[in-house]
Amino acid sequence: AQSVSQHNHHVILSEAASLELGCNYSYGGTVNLFWYVQYPGQHLQLLLKYFSGDPLVKGIKGFEAEFIKSKFSFNLRKPSVQWSDTAEYFCAVHPSQGGKLIFGQGTELSVKP
Amino acid sequence: DSGVTQTPKHLITATGQRVTLRCSPRSGDLSVYWYQQSLDQGLQFLIHYYNGEERAKGNILERFSAQQFPDLHSELNLSSLELGDSALYFCASSLAGRGSTDTQYFGPGTRLTVL
Repeated sequence: AQSVSQHNHHVILSEAASLELGCNYSYGGTVNLFWYVQYPGQHLQLLLKYFSGDPLVKGIKGFEAEFIKSKFSFNLRKPSVQWSDTAEYFCAVHPSQGGKLIFGQGTELSVKP
Repeated sequence: DSGVTQTPKHLITATGQRVTLRCSPRSGDLSVYWYQQSLDQGLQFLIHYYNGEERAKGNILERFSAQQFPDLHSELNLSSLELGDSALYFCASSLAGRGSTDTQYFGPGTRLTVL
């Protein structure tokens, strides 16, 4: 069965620290990969997505993610976090032909000012 | 603002009752998806409609049903409500629901509280 695993449930960082959130997926075929962010009390917003091509994708607000096919991973990174990055981050996949998104369990990021 | 709208924002009701959640997709999007977000289950896919037709079902209970109307808005009906149905219900829409570049955009959600 398809599944997505996010390594950390809760990450606490100080402002200006670097961030890396792990995401691994289990699926035999070609997938599209997404990171969504959910700020407190808000809905899911698309942070970035990977369909094909350059495995290093850049998203909004200085985030980037790297797709490593051999490791079935799609880790999210940001060189220097801000207090406003405090949110929950969800990795998601769906087969390349489209359809439902399968989400990881989410990683809550708390950034201390 | 994603362009996906959902009403109501909050809903408080009692066990055994029935409610209807409404979703309007982004202009031009033909696909609507429903997801449930709860503390214990995380984000779970419920059902997908494309241009009025059901495309896929996920972990949707028999007490729940949905439809997509000719104007492409969708409604999720939840009946015989139980305490465990309390959750955030998100709607998402996408252009086609298929294809290699399809992206889902989420609405603000409806928070359902069953007392």
